[in-house]
Amino acid sequence: DADVTQTPRNRITKTGKRIMLECSQTKGHDRMYWYRQDPGLGLQLIYYSFDVKDINKGEISDGYSVSRQAQAKFSLSLESAIPNQTALYFCATSDSSGGDGYTDTQYFGPGTRLTVL
Amino acid sequence: RKEVEQDPGPFNVPEGATVAFNCTYSNSASQSFFWYRQDCRKEPKLLMSVYSSGNEDGRFTAQLNRASQYISLLIRDSKLSDSATYLCVVSPWSWGKLQFGAGTQVVVTP
Repeated sequence: DADVTQTPRNRITKTGKRIMLECSQTKGHDRMYWYRQDPGLGLQLIYYSFDVKDINKGEISDGYSVSRQAQAKFSLSLESAIPNQTALYFCATSDSSGGDGYTDTQYFGPGTRLTVL
Repeated sequence: RKEVEQDPGPFNVPEGATVAFNCTYSNSASQSFFWYRQDCRKEPKLLMSVYSSGNEDGRFTAQLNRASQYISLLIRDSKLSDSATYLCVVSPWSWGKLQFGAGTQVVVTP
């Protein structure tokens, strides 16, 4: 089984709908992240969480919210989806106790392809 | 100006040849540097970290030039399976937040 899973893998929805994307991990990592990827752009950080009680906005948090239900679960919500939120969304995890002493390697889920019509 | 810039390519490389490409970053205080690989519309995966002294991992060699603020990746003896998009990743901080370039596409042809 994959260490980082995302559901759903594909979703088509309409403008104004509320959408939740879910991420689960079995790696035991404390840090979790949500990114979006658009063609021709690098991954952009939406939100990140360094532990269950720590939630932080990333570069592009407007229109999104998150919930860290447990160390292993981090969900992303679009309260009222709009077409420019059509993108590929990735969840990632990292372990603050590991790594090279500077920044810890991030492990990505398989992605959710979201289309907002 | 983007924080991390890459030539999008594609770099078309005959099988067995060598290909190299760079990435520039704008924050001189950047702490850590990585190359990730991303296959078509799949998740990015860490290829290698980039150390100040440069490092090799098999056919892959990464270099860091802090004075000119760029990192490079060289692939020797290219394989068809090396076809992918290579993402340059920089961490301006010491606590796990990463900045991604848009990627350089490499296409290895028979």
